[in-house]
Amino acid sequence: GAVVSQHPSWVICKSGTSVKIECRSLDFQATTMFWYRQFPKQSLMLMATSNEGSKATYEQGVEKDKFLINHASLTLSTLTVTSAHPEDSSFYICSARALSLRRGSTDTQYFGPGTRLTVL
Amino acid sequence: GEDVEQSLFLSVREGDSSVINCTYTDSSSTYLYWYKQEPGAGLQLLTYIFSNMDMKQDQRLTVLLNKKDKHLSLRIADTQTGDSAIYFCAEYVTGGYNKLIFGAGTRLAVHP
Repeated sequence: GAVVSQHPSWVICKSGTSVKIECRSLDFQATTMFWYRQFPKQSLMLMATSNEGSKATYEQGVEKDKFLINHASLTLSTLTVTSAHPEDSSFYICSARALSLRRGSTDTQYFGPGTRLTVL
Repeated sequence: GEDVEQSLFLSVREGDSSVINCTYTDSSSTYLYWYKQEPGAGLQLLTYIFSNMDMKQDQRLTVLLNKKDKHLSLRIADTQTGDSAIYFCAEYVTGGYNKLIFGAGTRLAVHP
């Protein structure tokens, strides 16, 4: 099946620093990638939808200047948490949508393994 | 509005069947998904069902969809300890940027 990787898998940083998380589709091209945030024992919250070569679309309540998303190629999207604070500590998960040309099939999202961010 | 609800916890004995329920609100959902998340890991797609189907079976997994009541269920036959995980129901909503709306997840605990 399609594989999506994230790097790093975990990161600890000091308050005020910026952290970049990479999301790669390893064996398919993804015109659209999604960034989610998951708090402990809670569901995934969609933060933004990233389309290759264009600006990301952010969900309501997500600060686009704090969570910078770049989708420079069909296999790579990055999320940068700028000036991170302890409340930004969370599990960040990306997914990549693989388009299927088969009629009636679903555009399945494949998820990365997640990145655990801890801000001290 | 878009909302997906699930019960938060289910405990079953090994070998029994597990049934995880989900309700959703968006009647325009085209696909409904079940994902599995093991501790500290990302989401694994288990199965999905198209909105014009009532049932889909895939080995030990059976998905039932009642579109009138906007109710989705996942049945796992012969539940094993390796099935212990959090199971997320998600609806695929269209319009603008298509996206998945997730439920809060059901934690399945399998005991001997």
